[in-house]
Amino acid sequence: QKEVEQDPGPLSVPEGAIVSLNCTYSNSAFQYFMWYRQYSRKGPELLMYTYSSGNKEDGRFTAQVDKSSKYISLFIRDSQPSDSATYLCAMSDPSGSARQLTFGSGTQLTVLP
Amino acid sequence: NAGVTQTPKFQVLKTGQSMTLQCAQDMNHNSMYWYRQDPGMGLRLIYYSASEGTTDKGEVPNGYNVSRLNKREFSLRLESAAPSQTSVYFCASSASTPSIGYTFGSGTRLTVV
Repeated sequence: QKEVEQDPGPLSVPEGAIVSLNCTYSNSAFQYFMWYRQYSRKGPELLMYTYSSGNKEDGRFTAQVDKSSKYISLFIRDSQPSDSATYLCAMSDPSGSARQLTFGSGTQLTVLP
Repeated sequence: NAGVTQTPKFQVLKTGQSMTLQCAQDMNHNSMYWYRQDPGMGLRLIYYSASEGTTDKGEVPNGYNVSRLNKREFSLRLESAAPSQTSVYFCASSASTPSIGYTFGSGTRLTVV
């Protein structure tokens, strides 16, 4: 079983829809939770991050972490065609020996005009 | 402001050939990383360098070697390429390890025939 599981999609929604992207994880030591966005043929770029549990909002994007369920979500409100990309969740255990990011496999999102 | 620069962008190799992927960052970051990205597998860490003069194995180091030439440059070498090494390779850097703020290059698409 992978440490981080993410539904690969593809997910296709109409413009203006609310999008929900999710990841589950098994390592309870993860403390930092991130979402990266990757456009086609580009490198990933950091979109949002949260520390421990709770919500964080940035414009149309909201990141949620539920550590009790080992579940994180990214919500996109009023989705736009420019949001079409692959979204990768990532997590880290800051106390671990490797202290690296562990990535989900990514969800491919298409927002149709 | 170039960020992380990877060369080449595309490469086709024959089985058994060798090559070096180059990576340079201009953000004065201490830590650098090499990942490979395959469909359905997400980003998998090959090697990383927490600081100049140190390198460590990641999740999938077999068949690869790295050199942290100086603070700016981190190269990845394939000594004898195999078809299983066909992938997209990303270099990344961060100010420290651990860090959430990875900056990725735009990738090298490698095909081994």
